Amino acid sequence: EVVMTQSPATLSVSPGERATLSCRASQSIGSNLAWYQQKPGQAPRLLVYGASTRATGIPARFSGSGSGTEFTLIISSLQSEDFALYYCQQYNHSPPTAFGQGTQVEI
Amino acid sequence: QLQLQESGPGLVKPSETLSLTCTVSGSSVRSDDYYWGWIRQPPGKGLEWIATIYSYTGNTYYSPSLKSRVTISVDTSKNQISLKLTSVTAADTAVYYCARRPLVTPGLRPFDYWGQGTLVTVSS
Repeated sequence: EVVMTQSPATLSVSPGERATLSCRASQSIGSNLAWYQQKPGQAPRLLVYGASTRATGIPARFSGSGSGTEFTLIISSLQSEDFALYYCQQYNHSPPTAFGQGTQVEI
Repeated sequence: QLQLQESGPGLVKPSETLSLTCTVSGSSVRSDDYYWGWIRQPPGKGLEWIATIYSYTGNTYYSPSLKSRVTISVDTSKNQISLKLTSVTAADTAVYYCARRPLVTPGLRPFDYWGQGTLVTVSS
């Protein structure tokens, strides 16, 4: 079973600054890594798949990178609507699939 | 436009069976282009995958930790996906989401569209 570990648990950032979120897999998952954004009371929204491909309609300020076991999501120039919870998910050894525990991006 | 809408009782008693339905519009659950899954999220906690079905072949996949209590199925006549979870306890209290996962060749894709979720509370 692949275990996903995200860091940090909470990231405090000012509007306009850059946020860097990390996700580590317990074994290699190639590039089969997704990032989701979740706001209170809402379903997760797919941001990035294939480690670096933005989903439809996702702004260019969101960029993903990495392969194997180490992955990063960068949000350049944070906007007010970007303060939310972010999850990574591996779908290489899937099913079963696994999510990280989340990173809260706060002001 | 794709929509997934979960429905079911918001309150279930301990030891009983939780039954949920996801009604899909804008896509066919019988399509060979998609998997359909259920994911849950306990209040204030992270996401947990429960089950996935590929209705074109009937193949089902379950979380090892829930496998003994879970059944996922589809009703193609109603374009719905269903989830049954037996012998529930307070630990099963969560928002339950249904989601779609594209089947692409070559390569893999994650869940791309999710329903809004439905809160199920297990309590007497």
